Amino acid sequence: QKEVEQNSGPLSVPEGAIASLNCTYSDRGSQSFFWYRQYSGKSPELIMFIYSNGDKEDGRFTAQLNKASQYVSLLIRDSQPSDSATYLCAVPNAGGTSYGKLTFGQGTILTVHP
Amino acid sequence: DGGITQSPKYLFRKEGQNVTLSCEQNLNHDAMYWYRQDPGQGLRLIYYSQIVNDFQKGDIAEGYSVSREKKESFPLTVTSAQKNPTAFYLCASSIGVFSYNEQFFGPGTRLTVL
Repeated sequence: QKEVEQNSGPLSVPEGAIASLNCTYSDRGSQSFFWYRQYSGKSPELIMFIYSNGDKEDGRFTAQLNKASQYVSLLIRDSQPSDSATYLCAVPNAGGTSYGKLTFGQGTILTVHP
Repeated sequence: DGGITQSPKYLFRKEGQNVTLSCEQNLNHDAMYWYRQDPGQGLRLIYYSQIVNDFQKGDIAEGYSVSREKKESFPLTVTSAQKNPTAFYLCASSIGVFSYNEQFFGPGTRLTVL
């Protein structure tokens, strides 16, 4: 079992819809989670950080964390074509590894069509 | 402007050659990282450094070497021992190595073996 798993997609949603991206992790000890967005050919940029159970909202983005079920999700409301990108879930220190290491999922490709 | 720079943006290597990728940051961050990204995959950690003159192997360190002589600089050498070096290489830095410290990424270097 991979430490961090994402559905690679592609996930296609119409403009204005809600895009739902999911990530599961294997280490029950994981405490915090990052969501990065990566446009094609570019480097990842952080869009959300969450460490508490429940929801965290930032503009059109909502991260949801359920530690008991070991998943973290990202919802994008009112999706725009500019949201089309690969979304990477990252877990720090997964599996009790050395501090600072981020373990990434393979990423979910999101396409928002007009 | 504060940030992370990587050079060159594109690099072509002949088989059997060693090449060095540059990474410089002016964010005054203690920790620096090198990741490799292959098409359709997430990022995999090659090496990381928590402080000057110290660095640790990541998950895929074979065929790579690094140095950390200055806080601002963390160059990566891809040696001829790396059998499949064609990939997108990303350098990152963070203020610390705790699980809540965001990693900031440079623009990346795309390495192609001819």
